[in-house]
Amino acid sequence: AQKVTQAQTEISVVEKEDVTLDCVYETRDTTYYLFWYKQPPSGELVFLIRRNSFDEQNEISGRYSWNFQKSTSSFNFTITASQVVDSAVYFCALSGTPYNTDKLIFGTGTRLQVFP
Amino acid sequence: ETGVTQTPRHLVMGMTNKKSLKCEQHLGHNAMYWYKQSAKKPLELMFVYNFKEQTENNSVPSRFSPECPNSSHLFLHLHTLQPEDSALYLCASGGLDTQYFGPGTRLTVL
Repeated sequence: AQKVTQAQTEISVVEKEDVTLDCVYETRDTTYYLFWYKQPPSGELVFLIRRNSFDEQNEISGRYSWNFQKSTSSFNFTITASQVVDSAVYFCALSGTPYNTDKLIFGTGTRLQVFP
Repeated sequence: ETGVTQTPRHLVMGMTNKKSLKCEQHLGHNAMYWYKQSAKKPLELMFVYNFKEQTENNSVPSRFSPECPNSSHLFLHLHTLQPEDSALYLCASGGLDTQYFGPGTRLTVL
């Protein structure tokens, strides 16, 4: 069965701390996509990144970085020098069908609170 | 500026009411989706439309009735809902790379 696990329900940090959000997935597909979304208090899910299963290269975008490791079925997300505006719920997701982003399987989310 | 808009943003309705949620996307996508987000639960995919045709109904009760008149608009018609249907209802549209979400409608059923 396909599944996404975000074991951290809630994380609290102080501004400028680094924080890593964990994501572990299960799938039997050899081709799949992994995603991270951010949901601020306004409610809208904001797309952050998509990785395909053939590309294990880590990615950095400003203060955000992602570590994809197929060997451990993990796709972790690190925020460097966190800011109050990073406070949100973060969701990891897995494509439910190969070559297709129609069915996304979401984790339960990690609520990140960044205090000034 | 979001490419997916939803109205209303908040809705309170009684169990005997009929209401509709509206979603509009300005991204030129051919796929649109309805999700339900309840507290402490993963997002639940409800319906998928591709080129105005419903391609997925994830065992959603018939009191939820979707309508997709064209690739830019998606509706969710609600009737005789239950209190447990209270949730955030999110619409998304899909391109080849991912899904883009609207701000959601916070629904409360009394």
